[in-house]
Amino acid sequence: AQRVTQPEKLLSVFKGAPVELKCNYSYSGSPELFWYVQYSRQRLQLLLRHISRESIKGFTADLNKGETSFHLKKPFAQEEDSAMYYCALIYNQGGKLIFGQGTELSVKP
Amino acid sequence: DAGITQSPRYKITETGRQVTLMCHQTWSHSYMFWYRQDLGHGLRLIYYSAAADITDKGEVPDGYVVSRSKTENFPLTLESATRSQTSVYFCASSDRGLNSPLHFGNGTRLTVT
Repeated sequence: AQRVTQPEKLLSVFKGAPVELKCNYSYSGSPELFWYVQYSRQRLQLLLRHISRESIKGFTADLNKGETSFHLKKPFAQEEDSAMYYCALIYNQGGKLIFGQGTELSVKP
Repeated sequence: DAGITQSPRYKITETGRQVTLMCHQTWSHSYMFWYRQDLGHGLRLIYYSAAADITDKGEVPDGYVVSRSKTENFPLTLESATRSQTSVYFCASSDRGLNSPLHFGNGTRLTVT
């Protein structure tokens, strides 16, 4: 069955430290993966998608099909990165998008 | 991003009652979605719609009913609310399907007593 797993509920780092939010997926087809973010008191919004190979707010994510992972990384965390992050997967020929459980990132000064 | 609005923001209801959560978007997006957000489960897809009069089940559709008679509206109805349906409900829309960004509403916090 299709599944997205984010093993860490909470990740706490200090400002300036590297960050890696883990995401593993289970899907037999060709995956389309995304990271969504929800800042405090704001709406959930798209951060980045793997097909764009983009870097948004210093974050990048590389799809590793061998390890079925799509980890989100940033070399130097900032306090404003504190938020809830969700990894998401499209499946069923593009008909459905499912989310992982979410990881709360806390960046301390 | 006021183009998608949900109402009410908060709702308390009793077990067994029918509840309808409203979702309205002003972009004429084809796709609309309903998710519930629960601690430990993240966001789970309840139902989605690819266009007016076209709806399909998501991961957790039991106990919910949707309709999409107009492109801009996508109400979610709990026909007989249960305590397990206490959750935060998010509506979302997108113009070209799931490959384009989903635009989320502010959410409705529903408590079933």
